[in-house]
Amino acid sequence: GESVGLHLPTLSVQEGDNSIINCAYSNSASDYFIWYKQESGKGPQFIIDIRSNMDKRQGQRVTVLLNKTVKHLSLQIAATQPGDSAVYFCAENRNNATGNMLTFGGGTRLMVKP
Amino acid sequence: KAGVTQTPRYLIKTRGQQVTLSCSPISGHRSVSWYQQTPGQGLQFLFEYFSETQRNKGNFPGRFSGRQFSNSRSEMNVSTLELGDSALYLCASSRLAGGPGTDTQYFGPGTRLTVL
Repeated sequence: GESVGLHLPTLSVQEGDNSIINCAYSNSASDYFIWYKQESGKGPQFIIDIRSNMDKRQGQRVTVLLNKTVKHLSLQIAATQPGDSAVYFCAENRNNATGNMLTFGGGTRLMVKP
Repeated sequence: KAGVTQTPRYLIKTRGQQVTLSCSPISGHRSVSWYQQTPGQGLQFLFEYFSETQRNKGNFPGRFSGRQFSNSRSEMNVSTLELGDSALYLCASSRLAGGPGTDTQYFGPGTRLTVL
């Protein structure tokens, strides 16, 4: 079935380096995408979002890129810090018969080495 | 401003029992969505409530139900618990209805349910 998935389950980076977390989606009708960060013992925290009419959006130290041609989404974190260590989820917004709902990918664990 | 709160944080039940989980949204938020998070299935949407009405529902059996009160607080209930219901149950609130495409959702810390 259609799903949102991640290529890499675990990503290990050196502190100060840039991180790139990737996500593939299969529903070309999805119109909105979100990246969440989840730390141990906490719920997912909104990081950044992007609508399907855009291909790039920047936040503070984070950038989301959307490639609709290959149905690919990525999250770039600049100058990765130890506090960035967490599990990152991409999610796509799908419109079903009764409304909108989020479908999440499986998650990528980011580990930042000091 | 207080965030989304969920009670209890941890719960242990046995098969066949039922359970009720509670979620208090951020003040002023009227939409509450529930999600189930498991290692095998990841995060899955259960349902969304707005103004005491269920607006949207995911693909879960009828054993999973919910409701919302006039103060926007929400409860979800799982009857006849099965071992596979062990999960982290998350709720998220937003100001507007219509799901995440309409307004940012803020998640609570979750309730960890263990079914023995």
